[in-house]
Amino acid sequence: GAVVSQHPSWVICKSGTSVKIECRSLDFQATTMFWYRQFPKQSLMLMATSNEGSKATYEQGVEKDKFLINHASLTLSTLTVTSAHPEDSSFYICSARNTGGTDTQYFGPGTRLTVL
Amino acid sequence: QKEVEQDPGPLSVPEGAIVSLNCTYSNSAFQYFMWYRQYSRKGPELLMYTYSSGNKEDGRFTAQVDKSSKYISLFIRDSQPSDSATYLCAGFSGGYNKLIFGAGTRLAVHP
Repeated sequence: GAVVSQHPSWVICKSGTSVKIECRSLDFQATTMFWYRQFPKQSLMLMATSNEGSKATYEQGVEKDKFLINHASLTLSTLTVTSAHPEDSSFYICSARNTGGTDTQYFGPGTRLTVL
Repeated sequence: QKEVEQDPGPLSVPEGAIVSLNCTYSNSAFQYFMWYRQYSRKGPELLMYTYSSGNKEDGRFTAQVDKSSKYISLFIRDSQPSDSATYLCAGFSGGYNKLIFGAGTRLAVHP
């Protein structure tokens, strides 16, 4: 099946620092990847759509200068949380669309970010 | 009104029970429907994928789509404690559109 990995799986950082999260599609090419945020016991909240070779499309209310997204290749998208603050602590999950298969989304295992 | 409505539960059933999870949607353009299972502190895992109306069966799981009533269901037969998770339904109209998720239903199967 389609596999999506994320790195790191968890990260703790100090307030004011930046954190980069990687999302990779391991066995398929993904022209489109998605970044979600999830708070405890809540559903997924789409933050942005990442398209290979072009700028990301951000959902309303998501600060594009704070959450930098880069999708430089067909198998890698990165999310950088800049100048992180405690309120950015959350579970970040990426997904990748397998356009070569069933055109559905496969999710990564998630990254737990804790900002002290 | 949300595009996809799903009762968040929690739903608690005894082991071996048949579980019925349901969603309604409002977007007539949806052609594809998915069910994802999410364990605590993990990413969602694709369980079932269906196109248009009809049934699809995979082991103990059956997905059902009724486009006339905009109703999608997931049935779990012989439920097991390992089925305890949050189940998310989603609709998708294809192309470059986004998956639209329901809120997720928390299921607990107790021995």
